[in-house]
Amino acid sequence: DGGITQSPKYLFRKEGQNVTLSCEQNLNHDAMYWYRQDPGQGLRLIYYSQIVNDFQKGDIAEGYSVSREKKESFPLTVTSAQKNPTAFYLCASSGRADLTDTQYFGPGTRLTVL
Amino acid sequence: AQKVTQAQTEISVVEKEDVTLDCVYETRDTTYYLFWYKQPPSGELVFLIRRNSFDEQNEISGRYSWNFQKSTSSFNFTITASQVVDSAVYFCALSELSNSGYALNFGKGTSLLVTP
Repeated sequence: DGGITQSPKYLFRKEGQNVTLSCEQNLNHDAMYWYRQDPGQGLRLIYYSQIVNDFQKGDIAEGYSVSREKKESFPLTVTSAQKNPTAFYLCASSGRADLTDTQYFGPGTRLTVL
Repeated sequence: AQKVTQAQTEISVVEKEDVTLDCVYETRDTTYYLFWYKQPPSGELVFLIRRNSFDEQNEISGRYSWNFQKSTSSFNFTITASQVVDSAVYFCALSELSNSGYALNFGKGTSLLVTP
């Protein structure tokens, strides 16, 4: 089945540790995105990538890093510089990165800092 | 400034009631797109509808209907004869060009609880 997978579903991290969240899609989409969701809030864009080997900062990129070495993969690293990383992280993809295209979402990763 | 406002934080209805979720947006662009997504307790966002700014026809899909009114910058979502499985958080989103390029702006969501 085509879709977006994220792993792990739950992730626990000690303060000061970097952690990487996985996002894979087999929809042959060019564009991929990472969002952060806090309780009672909408989604905020962290990073997006329109094409392999290229990515752009979103509204809240500080403390995060990404890579896009393969079309189907867009991992997100939450670094120790991120002051409040506990949140629900959602990955999405779309055929292309423009305002006309629909973004489809993965099941999310819930990150908790202990 | 919030570009998408969903004024209803939580709504509770009894099964079979109709319910309307409000969405008001703000943009200076003449070309833009509006979306509705459903987030069930599992967490994954499920795409419901996309509407462009030039198409003001209302749309109906089964028990779901959408009312797009440019004059009031609103894109409201109605569920007819609600069911327990409709319980979820619903997000309205606006797609427009921004200074940093493409942007999809989400409202804060409306949590709908449908009780038997």
